[in-house]
Amino acid sequence: AQTVTQSQPEMSVQEAETVTLSCTYDTSESDYYLFWYKQPPSRQMILVIRQEAYKQQNATENRFSVNFQKAAKSFSLKISDSQLGDAAMYFCACIQGGSEKLVFGKGTKLTVNP
Amino acid sequence: EAQVTQNPRYLITVTGKKLTVTCSQNMNHEYMSWYRQDPGLGLRQIYYSMNVEVTDKGDVPEGYKVSRKEKRNFPLILESPSPNQTSLYFCASSPLQGAGQPQHFGDGTRLSIL
Repeated sequence: AQTVTQSQPEMSVQEAETVTLSCTYDTSESDYYLFWYKQPPSRQMILVIRQEAYKQQNATENRFSVNFQKAAKSFSLKISDSQLGDAAMYFCACIQGGSEKLVFGKGTKLTVNP
Repeated sequence: EAQVTQNPRYLITVTGKKLTVTCSQNMNHEYMSWYRQDPGLGLRQIYYSMNVEVTDKGDVPEGYKVSRKEKRNFPLILESPSPNQTSLYFCASSPLQGAGQPQHFGDGTRLSIL
């Protein structure tokens, strides 16, 4: 069975600084996909970034980038130039290829200090 | 606008009173799913559907029912709600066009069972 672990329940960062959120996962499949979702106080689930396991290149989306270490089964999210609007819960998630089941970590609450 | 619509957004009710949370998507997606979100547990899948008349249990199906009579709709039914079903519920959908498609989430339904 897939598992996704986020070891940091809470993190904080100063505005304009960089922060990295950790995520590790476990899957027996070689074909899988990884995601980071953002949940602001409005509680919407917003896709931040998607990574295909077969691609070695780390995905980036503006100020958001990932460090995908396949051998270590690690998928951390880096937020550069943090903004107040980045304050949210962040969830790491994984889908195995051939399945649509999205397995989530428990989340990391990010606080951005002005 | 492409969206997943859940109703109601908030509901306070009493133990044992049957309730239905509706979910509708306008993207012609085959896959739909229900999750519940609890503090410290992340999102856990309740039920999912791969297409019309095809539903299956997720990780926490006890106490819930679903149906998929039309492609766009996937209601979540609590026949006899209990206080341990107090939670934040999300409906999500995605296309089955190859693996790893991001799921689109509704805005959530906050249920309180007294």
